Amino acid sequence: SQQGEEDPQALSIQEGENATMNCSYKTSINNLQWYRQNSGRGLVHLILIRSNEREKHSGRLRVTLDTSKKSSSLLITASRAADTASYFCATDPRQGGKLIFGQGTELSVKP
Amino acid sequence: GAGVSQSPSNKVTEKGKDVELRCDPISGHTALYWYRQSLGQGLEFLIYFQGNSAPDKSGLPSDRFSAERTGGSVSTLTIQRTQQEDSAVYLCASSRQGSADTQYFGPGTRLTVL
Repeated sequence: SQQGEEDPQALSIQEGENATMNCSYKTSINNLQWYRQNSGRGLVHLILIRSNEREKHSGRLRVTLDTSKKSSSLLITASRAADTASYFCATDPRQGGKLIFGQGTELSVKP
Repeated sequence: GAGVSQSPSNKVTEKGKDVELRCDPISGHTALYWYRQSLGQGLEFLIYFQGNSAPDKSGLPSDRFSAERTGGSVSTLTIQRTQQEDSAVYLCASSRQGSADTQYFGPGTRLTVL
């Protein structure tokens, strides 16, 4: 069963706006990762945040992690049409190396 | 350096046939993972290899699915007697040391069972 649940399932915004996606999970984790997927093929790793971290930045990306609420958010600032993709959170649930993925948020950025 | 590669990129097969999917991980990565993604869904974990340890097969959906990793590098996922519900994109990933490391994904193999 999927551990992560993402919200919203789909998000449509205008170029230049910020996009926020949320992820909730159920069990204790070592880390949480965000991935991006274009056209249903390979995933691109965006950012990894460890369980003892609360916030992390990478370029236009900002990720927060609240382990007390078992939730994370991904913020993309100043969005571009090229950011259009599906975004997945994935947790490492301390059960070996496998990742448990959420269902994803489909982001559409309109020029 | 080279990323994770998978072959074939697309595979169309008839119900009941066996298929083999190949994954070449990033050189030096000791951990290798297989996932599958059905249309419009998130990724489902299948199997995980870490070094010389026994693989974690807990995600394999049936005994028609098997995987091996030869020489700690290349891996093959085999699906026997394919069914239409096996149609999905099969994704392979590798990481340097396994748990808690970033996983790098290949482009996937799109399997269609007619």
